[in-house]
Formats: sequence, structure tokens, C-alpha cells
Amino acid sequence: SQQGEEDPQALSIQEGENATMNCSYKTSINNLQWYRQNSGRGLVHLILIRSNEREKHSGRLRVTLDTSKKSSSLLITASRAADTASYFCATDLRYGGSQGNLIFGKGTKLSVKP
Amino acid sequence: SAVISQKPSRDICQRGTSLTIQCQVDSQVTMMFWYRQQPGQSLTLIATANQGSEATYESGFVIDKFPISRPNLTFSTLTVSNMSPEDSSIYLCSGSTRGEQFFGPGTRLTVL
Repeated sequence: SQQGEEDPQALSIQEGENATMNCSYKTSINNLQWYRQNSGRGLVHLILIRSNEREKHSGRLRVTLDTSKKSSSLLITASRAADTASYFCATDLRYGGSQGNLIFGKGTKLSVKP
Repeated sequence: SAVISQKPSRDICQRGTSLTIQCQVDSQVTMMFWYRQQPGQSLTLIATANQGSEATYESGFVIDKFPISRPNLTFSTLTVSNMSPEDSSIYLCSGSTRGEQFFGPGTRLTVL
């Protein structure tokens, strides 16, 4: 079953605007990771945030984690057309015999118009 | 971060045949995994590839259909056996180090 659920499923913005994607999950986690996938190609690792962290930054990316609400958000500032891709959150579970494998959400399809 | 390569990048196969996908990482990783991504869908874990022992399969996936090998820390193979059109997907391997998981470029498989 899906652990993470991204919201919205699709997002269309103009270049220069900020894009915010949200991810909710159901069970306790070790960490949560965000990925980008361009048009059916491989996944690019963006950020890992651990369960004891609340916010991380990487360039134009900002990720927050609220374990009390079991949710995370990915903010892309000053978006570019090249940011057009699908974005997935994936959770590494704390329990349930997890060996570090990830459970992926359904993804948000972001379209940035020039 | 680990750099992961896969071969082949894509293939078109006839039903009933088998395809073996190779995955190579450039550094030693603690864990290796195989995922499937069906068209327009998210990723689903097939199995954890264990070095020198049988892979650990997720519910809905069995060794006879998806045999996996991992003879050393940096190499693994996934075979898709007795293929049918429902096996048409992107197959991705990943390697995990210090909790971060990195993915290969994927193998796009089409079964006719």
C-alpha cells in the first residue's frame, strides 16, 4: 500500500514562481527522501531529511518535515522551465522489518511554463 | 553519492522470453534494491538484493518470476522471466549508503 501521498497530483506555474509540493505518510519513519524524475527517466536524489530534522536546504530547494502531522513539503523557489518533472517523496520506515527500502508516493507532476 | 549504471537502457522482447538486467554501482553500498515503475505510476519495490544469499521479495513478487543475484557489493542482476505484456515497465535498481538511496537510469522494457 502507498505510504506517501503527494499533493497536488499536478501543478502548473510560470517561470520565476515558487512551487510547493506536499507529502503525507502514515507510519513512523527513519527518514524521508525527495526525488525528481524527468519524463520516464531515472530518479535524481534531491534531499534526505531525517526524522529528527525539521528543515533542510539545498540550493533553491527547501524541505520541511513535521513528524507530528506526518507530513513533508518541498519548496522550489524561483522555478525554471528545467524544473519541469515529476517529484516523488519516499519514506524509509522505522518499523515493520524495513531494511532501508523506500515506499514511494504517487508523485506530483510539475510543469513550469517559460 | 553513488553512481549507478544499468544495462540495457531499453529493450523490446517477445512474450515468453526472459531478460536479464545488470546494475553496477561505482562504490560499495550497504543495500541494493530493485524497483518497478509501470507506465504513469510510481515505483514499487520488487526485492532487496542480498550479497551472497537469496533476495528478499516483497508481497506479489516471487523468485521464479524475478530471480536476482548479487555476487558482490557493487553488482546485481534482475531477470524478468517468461515475460508477458504486463511486464512492460521501467525497472530501476538502487543502492543505499548512509540511508540515502540513489537510483540507476532505469531499463525500459516493452514486451510484445
